[in-house]
Order: sequence, then structure tokens, then C-alpha cells
Amino acid sequence: GESVGLHLPTLSVQEGDNSIINCAYSNSASDYFIWYKQESGKGPQFIIDIRSNMDKRQGQRVTVLLNKTVKHLSLQIAATQPGDSAVYFCAESRETGANSKLTFGKGITLSVRP
Amino acid sequence: NAGVTQTPKFRVLKTGQSMTLLCAQDMNHEYMYWYRQDPGMGLRLIHYSVGEGTTAKGEVPDGYNVSRLKKQNFLLGLESAAPSQTSVYFCASSKEGYGYTFGSGTRLTVV
Repeated sequence: GESVGLHLPTLSVQEGDNSIINCAYSNSASDYFIWYKQESGKGPQFIIDIRSNMDKRQGQRVTVLLNKTVKHLSLQIAATQPGDSAVYFCAESRETGANSKLTFGKGITLSVRP
Repeated sequence: NAGVTQTPKFRVLKTGQSMTLLCAQDMNHEYMYWYRQDPGMGLRLIHYSVGEGTTAKGEVPDGYNVSRLKKQNFLLGLESAAPSQTSVYFCASSKEGYGYTFGSGTRLTVV
């Protein structure tokens, strides 16, 4: 069925290393993707988004890669810092405009070791 | 610029009681959403609205009602609370389906 899933529930990285968080989606009609960061007790915080007509987009220390052939999305965080420790969600939307609805994956916990 | 504001932040209800959660946004977004977040379940869409006076059902709408009387406000109502509605509720808004912004959540416990 249609779903957005994350490959691993937890990821532990050394401070200063690069982090890569992966996400798979099953609907080839998905055309908009967002990565969110959620810290304990807070709401999801927008990190970066990408539309299906792109395969890469960069932000500050973050890069999102989209591979539509294998329906795979990844978030790369450069020089991971302790403040990056949080739960990360990928989300996808099959449509934008009036029928826009985001579907979220279950989340992956990123833990940064000092 | 406050973004998306949710009230209250915490609430404890007895089974059968009713309550309304308020969401307000100051970004002039047309679209607004209510999600619930349960452990291990991610965020699930309850109801959404694509404009003042319009609402639609999401993935898990049963037991909830919503109203969008003003563009900046989106209300989520529970008419008769059940323990299964214990959750963290998040409101979000977006500009035509892009760049969703979330509030800080309401933690609801139904006993």
C-alpha cells in the first residue's frame, strides 16, 4: 500500500561526522517531499523541502537528495552537532494545491555522540 | 511574527467530556491542518481546511469536528472524549500546500 517509511529507527553518529538519514516512499505520484526535525516536547520544525522535478537541494549544512527511480529520499547533515540530536521525519504529498495533504513516516532518532 | 499558536498546551479530560483546541496563524496561509501524534505512529492527519468556511476529513477523523470560521483560526473539537484520543495534537498551516509550519502542540490526556 501507499506509505512513507524510514529504514532504521535510530542512528548514532560522532559529533563532527556527516549524517545520512534515509526514507523510502511507495507512491510514484508523490511530487513534494519535506524533512522535519522534532525535538522533545516541541512541534516538527521544517528543515528542507524538494519537489519531484529536482533531484538535489541544498540548505545550510543540509542536503536533500531525491531518487525517483527507486523512490528514495535522503537527508544529509554535514558536520553533525549535538544540537542536531532529534527525531527526523520525512513527509510526502501526492498533490499540492487544494488536495494537498502530507503523509509522514514514523520518524528516526538521531543521536550525536560527543 | 508568532507563526502557528496552539492553545491550550496541556489538558486532562475525563471520559465523555468535551473540549475545543484552538489554532491561530498569522502568516495569511489559506490551508490549515490538524494532526495527532502517537508513539511509534508518526503524525496522522485528522482534518484539514483549504480556506475559510471549508473543511475536509483526513486519515483519522472519527470522534473529532472542526471549524474554520476565520482564515487565521482552525478549531478542533472533541464532543465526547475517549481514552483513545489521548495524544499530542499539532496544528499546521501552509501556503497552497508548500512549506508547512507547525505549532508547538497540545498534550491531551483522557482519563
